[in-house]
Amino acid sequence: NAGVMQNPRHLVRRRGQEARLRCSPMKGHSHVYWYRQLPEEGLKFMVYLQKENIIDESGMPKERFSAEFPKEGPSILRIQQVVRGDSAAYFCASSPRAGGQETQYFGPGTRLLVL
Amino acid sequence: GQQVMQIPQYQHVQEGEDFTTYCNSSTTLSNIQWYKQRPGGHPVFLIQLVKSGEVKKQKRLTFQFGEAKKNSSLHITATQTTDVGTYFCAGQGNYQLIWGAGTKLIIKP
Repeated sequence: NAGVMQNPRHLVRRRGQEARLRCSPMKGHSHVYWYRQLPEEGLKFMVYLQKENIIDESGMPKERFSAEFPKEGPSILRIQQVVRGDSAAYFCASSPRAGGQETQYFGPGTRLLVL
Repeated sequence: GQQVMQIPQYQHVQEGEDFTTYCNSSTTLSNIQWYKQRPGGHPVFLIQLVKSGEVKKQKRLTFQFGEAKKNSSLHITATQTTDVGTYFCAGQGNYQLIWGAGTKLIIKP
């Protein structure tokens, strides 16, 4: 059973470009969480999605950031018009059921560098 | 809103010394989970505590959940170089886990 897959593992963008981060949850998992981690800091929750639904986006910046989890295909975290402050590691996690009762399985992360 | 405070932020120990990290929640938790993140890696689940006063052990790691289910600790006995990393606690939120800021375990050279 493959784990959570994220790609790309490393992404370099210039200021103003768009970044698209992909996450394929573990097989059988329908709940996806996105986190951001700045260097030497903890995990910051961004958004929680189920298939075709955003359940909680309280951690998402109001502008430039969006996330989706379509019926088919991976979950996408999209950052428009990136700025240097967006440089961070972005982790996706999945769980088979809702909420904090379930262990979250993390992907290897996407390290975004904005030049 | 719900918050989970974790201390200390860093702990430097000599190899063979013990290490402890503490988490404290502003509200009663239904459960708490612990994760470890190696340098350059991603968080990996260690354990979940559910019952009041629960104590679980994994080899040299001892996890405790307070009687009031508002605090938890992780204690590592006789640290080894393989223990290096950041340890996170995460408590049950409404829809997702509420994460502590993590404690970084550093082994002194």
